[in-house]
Amino acid sequence: KQEVTQIPAALSVPEGENLVLNCSFTDSAIYNLQWFRQDPGKGLTSLLLIQSSQREQTSGRLNASLDKSSGRSTLYIAASQPGDSATYLCAVDSSYKLIFGSGTRLLVRP
Amino acid sequence: EADIYQTPRYLVIGTGKKITLECSQTMGHDKMYWYQQDPGMELHLIHYSYGVNSTEKGDLSSESTVSRIRTEHFPLTLESARPSHTSQYLCASSDPGSNEQYFGPGTRLTVT
Repeated sequence: KQEVTQIPAALSVPEGENLVLNCSFTDSAIYNLQWFRQDPGKGLTSLLLIQSSQREQTSGRLNASLDKSSGRSTLYIAASQPGDSATYLCAVDSSYKLIFGSGTRLLVRP
Repeated sequence: EADIYQTPRYLVIGTGKKITLECSQTMGHDKMYWYQQDPGMELHLIHYSYGVNSTEKGDLSSESTVSRIRTEHFPLTLESARPSHTSQYLCASSDPGSNEQYFGPGTRLTVT
């Protein structure tokens, strides 16, 4: 059974810092991996999608990598801003259904 | 830009009431999903559909039911709401090519 773990559970950093969020999964047979952002009480916003054949994807200050063989993905946020404060969720698609991690709550202090 | 809508956004109802949470998307996606998320907790898949007249139960057992009569519409119904149903319900649909999932804003349900 696929399990997804995200570390750390919470992170507080000063504005401008570069940071890395980690995601690990137990079954490497995945179709894709998606990173989402969730603001309190809101829905999810898709940030990046990495297909199983890809190693990384970039969008603006965000870069996500995927290492299927080791069951790991990282989300790199460059030059963090207070507006980046949110919960970041990693989800793997292993049977056309998403399995979510419990998220990393990020606070970027001004 | 994904166009997926959920109504109501917030709902407070009494125990025993029947409710329907609406979800619609204008992208023509065949695959649609319902997730349940308790505050501060993970999302869990409760229902999904691969197209019209197709519905399946997800990984988390739920007393709710769903229907898929039209491609764009995937409503969720609770026949008799209970306080244990208090949660946030998120609807999603996925792009047929990439399978990227797009989420609606959610319905926050409180059963008193």
